[in-house]
Amino acid sequence: ETGVTQSPTHLIKTRGQQVTLRCSSQSGHNTVSWYQQALGQGPQFIFQYYREEENGRGNFPPRFSGLQFPNYSSELNVNALELDDSALYLCASRTSPRQGNEQFFGPGTRLTVL
Amino acid sequence: SQELEQSPQSLIVQEGKNLTINCTSSKTLYGLYWYKQKYGEGLIFLMMLQKGGEEKSHEKITAKLDEKKQQSSLHITASQPSHAGIYLCGADNYGQNFVFGPGTRLSALP
Repeated sequence: ETGVTQSPTHLIKTRGQQVTLRCSSQSGHNTVSWYQQALGQGPQFIFQYYREEENGRGNFPPRFSGLQFPNYSSELNVNALELDDSALYLCASRTSPRQGNEQFFGPGTRLTVL
Repeated sequence: SQELEQSPQSLIVQEGKNLTINCTSSKTLYGLYWYKQKYGEGLIFLMMLQKGGEEKSHEKITAKLDEKKQQSSLHITASQPSHAGIYLCGADNYGQNFVFGPGTRLSALP
């Protein structure tokens, strides 16, 4: 058990719709990251939040946005869904550098866009 | 930007045999993570290496970091069916982003 949970487990949307994915990380893990993993590929970094502010972003368009809350939960929002957005979305939380800077992943949300 | 390559892409190992997976970075490694993933599931944290020459072990899995070669290796001793899965290396790019290698798919034969 990593202490990182994600909801929902699976989701089916249609092209053009909007989706919100949720993540709850361990208490004390101030950094949360979101990743997109297409079938057969390694995870791609979407963005990272530290203490409720985005402090790192991968090569994803602005329609991918996020929020981090004080209670160590976070959201990934995707607007105007496209077929290529179909993937496994992973949330990860990280310990502080003093605690080893380890990064733990949730089980993921599988999004299918039709 | 930093890129990670892994070799081999896939391998099939008979139970009881040893194996090594390599991860090579295009830039200096300041932190290298190893994960295992079962198909369609989340990533399981194996270990993290931060210093050149560092070596860590967990059960039958050992990882080393060669900072000069910008490379890390993951070695599994006496593989078991439970070791089957996709092994991913990842690197923290100065805290700005995080990159993963493409993964190595390990299949274990009984």
